[in-house]
Amino acid sequence: DVKVTQSSRYLVKRTGEKVFLECVQDMDHENMFWYRQDPGLGLRLIYFSYDVKMKEKGDIPEGYSVSREKKERFSLILESASTNQTSMYLCASSSLWTFATNEKLFFGSGTQLSVL
Amino acid sequence: AQTVTQSQPEMSVQEAETVTLSCTYDTSESNYYLFWYKQPPSRQMILVIRQEAYKQQNATENRFSVNFQKAAKSFSLKISDSQLGDTAMYFCAFRETSGSRLTFGEGTQLTVNP
Repeated sequence: DVKVTQSSRYLVKRTGEKVFLECVQDMDHENMFWYRQDPGLGLRLIYFSYDVKMKEKGDIPEGYSVSREKKERFSLILESASTNQTSMYLCASSSLWTFATNEKLFFGSGTQLSVL
Repeated sequence: AQTVTQSQPEMSVQEAETVTLSCTYDTSESNYYLFWYKQPPSRQMILVIRQEAYKQQNATENRFSVNFQKAAKSFSLKISDSQLGDTAMYFCAFRETSGSRLTFGEGTQLTVNP
């Protein structure tokens, strides 16, 4: 089974800190995504990447950046954390070549980030 | 830009009964994919069912089925014989045929009562 692993399940940070959220997948997937989940707003796409060193902005990229130096790892960076970035962050991956057929995103279990 | 709307923030149903979750979407595309994902308390997202827009036949997966109305841009999920394990947040999602990114709705929290 595909495994998408997020480094932390819960994280507490202070305002102004630089925060790194890490995501690793073990199935050689080309596509990787970072979503933010908030009550009443659903999942909103922050950034995605379709190859190493390639990235595209999603719907809410402000205040975030990403890094993909290796195919299996996709990092979300909060340069200066703010309280309005308190949220659940979900990482996902998919195969570029089979997505059209199996059409399935594989998700991590999420990181609940609290910024105080 | 595509939008997905789930107008029912919360729903509840008795065990063994049937419940329908609503979803509407907006797009100018003629071909696309629609999905229902389930997120139980474990937070692990699980694909429940998917529908290809060019297929007129409604998708079914065991107790889960959809009512896909393309002209009305409606995609509802019906859960038959509800089980306690169906308690979860359910998200409707949309994807263009040519793209990789999914657009999600706001979610519906379903509670199945014993």
